[in-house]
Amino acid sequence: AQSVAQPEDQVNVAEGNPLTVKCTYSVSGNPYLFWYVQYPNRGLQFLLKYITGDNLVKGSYGFEAEFNKSQTSFHLKKPSALVSDSALYFCAVRDMTTDSWGKLQFGSGTQVVVTP
Amino acid sequence: SQTIHQWPATLVQPVGSPLSLECTVEGTSNPNLYWYRQAAGRGLQLLFYSVGIGQISSEVPQNLSASRPQDRQFILSSKKLLLSDSGFYLCAWSPRGRENIQYFGAGTRLSVL
Repeated sequence: AQSVAQPEDQVNVAEGNPLTVKCTYSVSGNPYLFWYVQYPNRGLQFLLKYITGDNLVKGSYGFEAEFNKSQTSFHLKKPSALVSDSALYFCAVRDMTTDSWGKLQFGSGTQVVVTP
Repeated sequence: SQTIHQWPATLVQPVGSPLSLECTVEGTSNPNLYWYRQAAGRGLQLLFYSVGIGQISSEVPQNLSASRPQDRQFILSSKKLLLSDSGFYLCAWSPRGRENIQYFGAGTRLSVL
């Protein structure tokens, strides 16, 4: 079965500092990995995905993620965090079973707090 | 462009009352549709998904049901709400055939009192 783990409930960072949100995955076969962001009382917004190709994936709002097959990780990164990046971040992996119809397995979420 | 609408945004219902949450998608056809529940502002639980009209798959046995009466309409229902049904309900859709990215509605905050 496919799964992802987000080991940190919360990440605190000062504005202007680099931001990293960790995600590790467990899949059979090649993973389809995603990052989503959720602002308070809102739905999830897609940030980026890794399907194949370059290990460094660039996404929305200046975010990028690095796929590391040997460490089974897909960490989300931003070189310089903004206060407006404060939100709940979810890592997800696509369920690749034949009848899954594109279902995603979400991690438990990491709350990012960026202080001025 | 495609848009997803979900309503109402907030709902307060007494225990034992019925529930109907609606989700519609515009600008696409034959989407896959999903209902999620998010409890305590954290983890997402997939409740139902649908790959076509009248085709509903349930992920978790519970007090809720879903229906898809039209191609781009997905409804979440309950005959009698429980306290434990409180939460944030999210509808999502993904394109057919490229089921990689799910796009979410703004959500419904349900409080059962």
